[in-house]
Amino acid sequence: DAMVIQNPRYQVTQFGKPVTLSCSQTLNHNVMYWYQQKSSQAPKLLFHYYDKDFNNEADTPDNFQSRRPNTSFCFLDIRSPGLGDAAMYLCATSRDLGGLAFFGQGTRLTVV
Amino acid sequence: AQSVTQPDIHITVSEGASLELRCNYSYGATPYLFWYVQSPGQGLQLLLKYFSGDTLVQGIKGFEAEFKRSQSSFNLRKPSVHWSDAAEYFCAVAAAMEYGNKLVFGAGTILRVKS
Repeated sequence: DAMVIQNPRYQVTQFGKPVTLSCSQTLNHNVMYWYQQKSSQAPKLLFHYYDKDFNNEADTPDNFQSRRPNTSFCFLDIRSPGLGDAAMYLCATSRDLGGLAFFGQGTRLTVV
Repeated sequence: AQSVTQPDIHITVSEGASLELRCNYSYGATPYLFWYVQSPGQGLQLLLKYFSGDTLVQGIKGFEAEFKRSQSSFNLRKPSVHWSDAAEYFCAVAAAMEYGNKLVFGAGTILRVKS
């Protein structure tokens, strides 16, 4: 059974139209991460939550926001998607920082 | 800057042949080390991990990796490759002091398997 679930698997959004990607976990892990992976590149960490504490990477654009309303769910909000934001977005969880991370299947975002 | 290096962007091997994918990291102490595999359009699946102890670790799907402190390497190996192993492989490192305990990935190695 999937332990980290991302919805939807594929998302198409219009240039500049806000979009939200969803991630849920059944592992009760403390940490939830969002990664951006562009074609033929390594995943790049955008931010993570340790419980309710939000930690933004220094080079993550302001256009990207996140919410974690409870332990199980975490959302990635892109306020005004640009063509350059088209990518695979990966959610991951771990019990503690630096520990074993479990990844979801990803959401492939297309911006038209 | 701290980094994870996978020097081979693409590797092609024949089915049944042995495989070694290279990974080097720059970090003063021993970090946590991982190998993940990603099939096209899919998320990342953990193959194996090293935290401490025996430097030769066994993973799923017949993969193993060896941590060599003197070389700052964590190379992935498989004695006999199957066509279903074709995918992209990522080495990753988590280290408290250097990476803030966050997972940092190498650029990946795409494995092609020819029959």
